[in-house]
Amino acid sequence: AQSVTQLGSHVSVSEGALVLLRCNYSSSVPPYLFWYVQYPNQGLQLLLKYTTGATLVKGINGFEAEFKKSETSFHLTKPSAHMSDAAEYFCAVSASGGSYIPTFGRGTSLIVHP
Amino acid sequence: NAGVTQTPKFQVLKTGQSMTLQCAQDMNHEYMSWYRQDPGMGLRLIHYSVGAGITDQGEVPNGYNVSRSTTEDFPLRLLSAAPSQTSVYFCASSALAGDTDTQYFGPGTRLTVL
Repeated sequence: AQSVTQLGSHVSVSEGALVLLRCNYSSSVPPYLFWYVQYPNQGLQLLLKYTTGATLVKGINGFEAEFKKSETSFHLTKPSAHMSDAAEYFCAVSASGGSYIPTFGRGTSLIVHP
Repeated sequence: NAGVTQTPKFQVLKTGQSMTLQCAQDMNHEYMSWYRQDPGMGLRLIHYSVGAGITDQGEVPNGYNVSRSTTEDFPLRLLSAAPSQTSVYFCASSALAGDTDTQYFGPGTRLTVL
């Protein structure tokens, strides 16, 4: 069984400020972890993913996330927010070994103020 | 390469009406799935398929039917629409070999049931 908890349904930052979106997971097997982004009125698209290897993963648009097994976390960060980063962000987990059914978190809406 | 396409983009139904939401992908993906997205609930899996002729239920299957006669198409049928089915519906696909864990999403169908 696997689950994902995203802390905070809304996160508000000023343009240029650090972005931190929190994700904790539980999984009975080594997890694969994902962040997806959903811009208004669009489908989800992959931002980054961790499967194996380096625990710090870099994605598109300057985002990165670090897999911390001891903390069961996969928080998403970006050093400097842009207005264009305003979107809904979803963390997801799937079981390693080629499992294809991910479990999604409830999403965090990122609001960027000028 | 169109990716995952969904039709229609918007639909309004009356209670009791039936309809089919269309989903197609041109990436030769074996795995396809349907999600519904509701405010504060994230993405919930309705049905999924691991190949032509094979379907299975997800978290919230009641009121929905699916079939998979070809690799490319995975339609979702609402047999007798209810207001509780008002939602945004997303179709997704992924490979079962290679890049097995990245989900590719369609643009969504926004359904309102009156």
